[in-house]
Formats: sequence, structure tokens, C-alpha cells
Amino acid sequence: EVQLVESGGGLVKPGRSLRISCTASGFNFGDYDMTWFRQAPGKGLEWVGFIRRKVYGETTEYAASVKGRFIISRDDSTSIAYLEMNGLKTEDTAVYYCTRERVAIFGVIIMDYWGQGTLVTVSS
Amino acid sequence: DIQMTQSPSSLSASVGDRVTITCRASQSISVYLNWYQQSPGKAPKLLIYAASYLQSGVPSRFSGSGSGADFTLTINSLQPDDFASYFCQQSYSTPWTFGQGTKVEIK
Repeated sequence: EVQLVESGGGLVKPGRSLRISCTASGFNFGDYDMTWFRQAPGKGLEWVGFIRRKVYGETTEYAASVKGRFIISRDDSTSIAYLEMNGLKTEDTAVYYCTRERVAIFGVIIMDYWGQGTLVTVSS
Repeated sequence: DIQMTQSPSSLSASVGDRVTITCRASQSISVYLNWYQQSPGKAPKLLIYAASYLQSGVPSRFSGSGSGADFTLTINSLQPDDFASYFCQQSYSTPWTFGQGTKVEIK
């Protein structure tokens, strides 16, 4: 059974850093790109960024709102994806979800499995 | 960035009703359109991908249609578990963007 479990969320002061993790199981982690999304309280879904699998050089791409502050990484030996968040702002307060990304029919990218999410609250 | 606009933002319906939600992209995205369901306090769940393909395990009362810039999600014979929020999402180009969501409430 495919499972994604986020951890490491919590309360952090503005300007500080936090690293959250996504532990995967039930599939060959190294064969998939991993994507992070977030959802502010009562709001819609926002793409944060992704990391490609090793065969594609583990390249990353980020949303403009987090570029230069957030870093996504992965450790295929432990099946964990990380989201390192630096220079946190109050507007970064959200539930953060990791997802498994894959290519479906016609080359359409889908997020077929999601973790349960971890809440990050940025407040003084 | 590609903007996704859903309508309506909310609707009230009864068990057994047929419900239709629309999603419009700010440019043509071919069939690079997915639909997700999100129940309160839960993670989104993939329902439909590539505009009209049913994700494995999703009941056949859910269907999707459309291409280009206009898409539709239809739920036939609404069931109690279907009262949730629904989001469309484009995967034509990054950043992946979502519609603002449609909340389906019990009438």
C-alpha cells in the first residue's frame, strides 16, 4: 500500500527556519518525482515545488512565492523527501502536503497519492 | 501562470441528485486537467485525470469531460460521502494551478 507521511510541522516565529519531512512507503521511491503543495487555513491549494527523480538529475522547481527561501531535497536510500523552509513569513502558514507525481495517459502529470499533511504555523 | 476558474463556488444538493461543476482555464490546456475531491480535514484525492479518465478505485458515478479551456465534472446520483470540496488542477505548465474549489453541501 502506498503511503506518504509528513512530519515536522509546528509553530515557528517569522524569519526562522523549519524542515518538514515526507516518508514514503509501498513503492519504489526513487522512480518517482515528488511534489509539495500547501493550503492556507480555509483557502485553496497552492503548488510549492517539486524534485525530479535521480535519473533526471534531482532537479527542482519552485513557486515564485517561495523561490530563494524554500529548498526541496530527497534521500532515496531512506525514501524521504524534505522541504526546508527559510525566512518564514506569516503568509507561509498552511498545511503542507507531499505528493507522488507520475505521468499518466497523453503525458498528463498527476498527483496520485497525497500525504495527510502537516500544519506549519508562522507566528510571533 | 494559467488561471483556473471554477463555478459555482458552492452548491446545495440532495442525495441522489446529479451535480455538475465547471472549470475554465485562462488558455487552452488540451486535456491536461485533473479533478480532486477534498473532505474536511483530509488530503485531496484524485478523482479524474486527463479530463475524462477515472482514477482507479473511484466510483463510476464520477465523470469528467472537456478539452481546450472548458471542463466539466459530473457526479451522478450524489451519495453522502460526496459532500466535500472539489478542485480542478491544470498540469499543462508549471506552476501547477488549481481552481478555487466548489463546496458541495447537503440541501
